[in-house]
Amino acid sequence: DSGVTQTPKHLITATGQRVTLRCSPRSGDLSVYWYQQSLDQGLQFLIQYYNGEERAKGNILERFSAQQFPDLHSELNLSSLELGDSALYFCASSVGGVRELFFGEGSRLTVL
Amino acid sequence: DQQVKQNSPSLSVQEGRISILNCDYTNSMFDYFLWYKKYPAEGPTFLISISSIKDKNEDGRFTVFLNKSAKHLSLHIVPSQPGDSAVYFCAASASLGAGGTSYGKLTFGQGTILTVHP
Repeated sequence: DSGVTQTPKHLITATGQRVTLRCSPRSGDLSVYWYQQSLDQGLQFLIQYYNGEERAKGNILERFSAQQFPDLHSELNLSSLELGDSALYFCASSVGGVRELFFGEGSRLTVL
Repeated sequence: DQQVKQNSPSLSVQEGRISILNCDYTNSMFDYFLWYKKYPAEGPTFLISISSIKDKNEDGRFTVFLNKSAKHLSLHIVPSQPGDSAVYFCAASASLGAGGTSYGKLTFGQGTILTVHP
């Protein structure tokens, strides 16, 4: 158990819909990261938040957005969903300035 | 543009023998490298890391070697055990951001499936 909690574990929805994925970081970790793993792909960095502020951005689509709340939990919002958005979405956390990330178990999104 | 590559999609090894997983990178700004292990239905778990100022780091059965001139790193597992069967991801990081707070922007390879046979 990494201490990072992600909900929901599985989500099935239709094209055009919007979903929200939630992440609770390890106690004391200020940084939250979101990664996407599509079929046969490595993990792709989406976005990082540090203590409520956006700190780094990867190849995150404009249809996707994220935020980190004062209690440090984070949400990843995916809208106007397309079939290609089907993937595993991982959240990770760290104490800022440390490069070893602790990952949650992921949220598997299936878009039909 | 694949900045971190794991060219072997899979590797099969006999229990007790050495497993060698390889990783190549292209970005000269990477200065920290990590290996993660992933079991099905679980998130990646940190295994071992190495800074670019070193060429070797050892932790029990796991050793990571870094060859900066070749932009190549490898993970050695000795001896291999059936419980090591998993997907292994190589990841790289560059020092970015104020105060190092963007260190966690890791660039991952596609992974190598290791199977250790009893």
